[in-house]
Amino acid sequence: NAGVTQTPKFQVLKTGQSMTLQCAQDMNHNSMYWYRQDPGMGLRLIYYSASEGTTDKGEVPNGYNVSRLNKREFSLRLESAAPSQTSVYFCASRYLLTGKEQFFGPGTRLTVL
Amino acid sequence: EDKVVQSPLSLVVHEGDTVTLNCSYEVTNFRSLLWYKQEKKAPTFLFMLTSSGIEKKSGRLSSILDKKELFSILNITATQTGDSAVYLCAVDFSGGGADGLTFGKGTHLIIQP
Repeated sequence: NAGVTQTPKFQVLKTGQSMTLQCAQDMNHNSMYWYRQDPGMGLRLIYYSASEGTTDKGEVPNGYNVSRLNKREFSLRLESAAPSQTSVYFCASRYLLTGKEQFFGPGTRLTVL
Repeated sequence: EDKVVQSPLSLVVHEGDTVTLNCSYEVTNFRSLLWYKQEKKAPTFLFMLTSSGIEKKSGRLSSILDKKELFSILNITATQTGDSAVYLCAVDFSGGGADGLTFGKGTHLIIQP
């Protein structure tokens, strides 16, 4: 099993450009999450999806949109990137009902110039 | 507002020392408290605690939760250079329609040879 995979690993954008970060999991988890991590900070929740077809805002959703394409895939889109969105983005997944731990992907390092 | 506070934010010790990392929290829907280790990449799971007073152990690492005083500690004995990492404390607040983890800022632990 690959676990949680993310693409791309690195990306540099100019202000105003758009892009989509991809995430997939092969553990048959129902819940998926997007976090961002800034220097000296813990992870902050952007959006989550408790099941296929549902998405909800987390702590810092402004400037982002998400799509739960199917049970395996959960994408994060930046429509008009801003320098404040320079960060490392982590995708995670788990079985919500069992309350077990979240498994994290390797992260995407995004720089917006 | 849900809050997780870790202390100290950074710690430098010598190999062989014992360290204690602290985590206090205030959340409205507590489900569990989790510890993760992060070494310049994705956080990796260490422990999940749901009940007060029950110590979880894994080799040289152990952790305990106090739900009355709202804190947890992570102990590492006989530290090794490979223990150098950022240790993240997170509280699972899922329930009542919400989901996700609230993270502290982390403790940056450096083990000197």
